[in-house]
Order: sequence, then C-alpha cells, then structure tokens
Amino acid sequence: EAGVAQSPRYKIIEKRQSVAFWCNPISGHATLYWYQQILGQGPKLLIQFQNNGVVDDSQLPKDRFSAERLKGVDSTLKIQPAKLEDSAVYLCASSLGRYQPQHFGDGTRLSIL
Amino acid sequence: ELKVEQNPLFLSMQEGKNYTIYCNYSTTSDRLYWYRQDPGKSLESLFVLLSNGAVKQEGRLMASLDTKARLSTLHITAAVHDLSATYFCAVGGSYNTDKLIFGTGTRLQVFP
Repeated sequence: EAGVAQSPRYKIIEKRQSVAFWCNPISGHATLYWYQQILGQGPKLLIQFQNNGVVDDSQLPKDRFSAERLKGVDSTLKIQPAKLEDSAVYLCASSLGRYQPQHFGDGTRLSIL
Repeated sequence: ELKVEQNPLFLSMQEGKNYTIYCNYSTTSDRLYWYRQDPGKSLESLFVLLSNGAVKQEGRLMASLDTKARLSTLHITAAVHDLSATYFCAVGGSYNTDKLIFGTGTRLQVFP
C-alpha cells in the first residue's frame, strides 16, 4: 500500500513569510495528525483530525498556524507569519484507529532565515 | 500532564553486545509504541504494546510493557551496525484523545 505522502520535502523562507505543507494520508485512514519535530527532540502533536473534523488542536499556535482537511482526505498545514522558532520538520501521520500504529510521511524540513 | 522519559539519551555499543533502552511515563495509559528513525528519515513503527505484560519481538529487538510500573523496555540482542538509529517510545494520552506523547529519543550507535 502507498504510504503517507507529503510535499514539499524542503522549504526555506524568511521570517514573517507564509508557508503551506500538504499531506495525503494512506487510503482509508480516517485519522490524520500533524506533528512538529524540532532537531534533537521527539515529535510533538500539533493537530489531529478524525475525517474532516478537528479532534485535538490544543498545542497548535492558533495565532499563526492553521490546518484543514478537505473532504476527510488531504490536509494542509499553514504558518503565517513564520517565526525563527518554527524551524523544524513537520510530519504528517495517519492511522486506522486508536490502537493502531501511526504511519508517518517523510516530512517537510522547514528552515526560517 | 503525561510526561515520557527515555534513558539513556545516547548509547554507543559494540556489535554483538546486549543492551536495554528504558521508557518511563508519568500517568496511566492504555497503549505504548516504539518507533525507529534513521537520520533525515521519517519514523518507522516497530511495536505496539496494549496490555500489561505484553512482549513483542522482531529480529534482535524485543519490547515489553509493565503498566503498573509505567515502564517499557526495548532490549537489543547481539547488536549489529544496521540497528544504528534513534529509537522513540510514544505513550497514548488520555482516554478521550488519540494523542501520542513522544519521549526524547535514544540515539543508538553500534560500532564494530
């Protein structure tokens, strides 16, 4: 089966600019997650979708980050405006359910200049 | 608030040796996962542990879970260079969310 697809793989922007990431989960996976992984740390959940509804966005900096999941499939994560501290790898994951493993995409490595 | 601690943070070991990575968590959970991450790559699922006393094995890796002690271990038997990677444990959050809380990771380096 095809894995979780993410694009772009790399992005370099200047602070205060905006950026968007795209994710296509594994077919049939109702749950989709966006994580932020800062260098040397474990991933931190930003937002979780169940189909096209938000389940948990408690750690999403809502003043600058937004996310949506269109028609319960693809998802986009946007940052506007970006700050230096947003430099990280943004990982998308999907799963079949609570007790199943989360399958991760290759991530987008974001560098803020 | 659920906290997950791994130790050691860094492990350098010789091929053929055995070692254990520990994952402690602070509050009750009903699921725990182990992941592997190679440099510049994404996370690969290794094990899913759902019950007290659960033990899973794949090749030279064996994971176990003690929910009473809030402890999971990842045991490496007769290490080989291909096992060099960063290993993360991730613990399920409260019962009304699927959120996973990841540990800081253990960077494993296996040398000849």
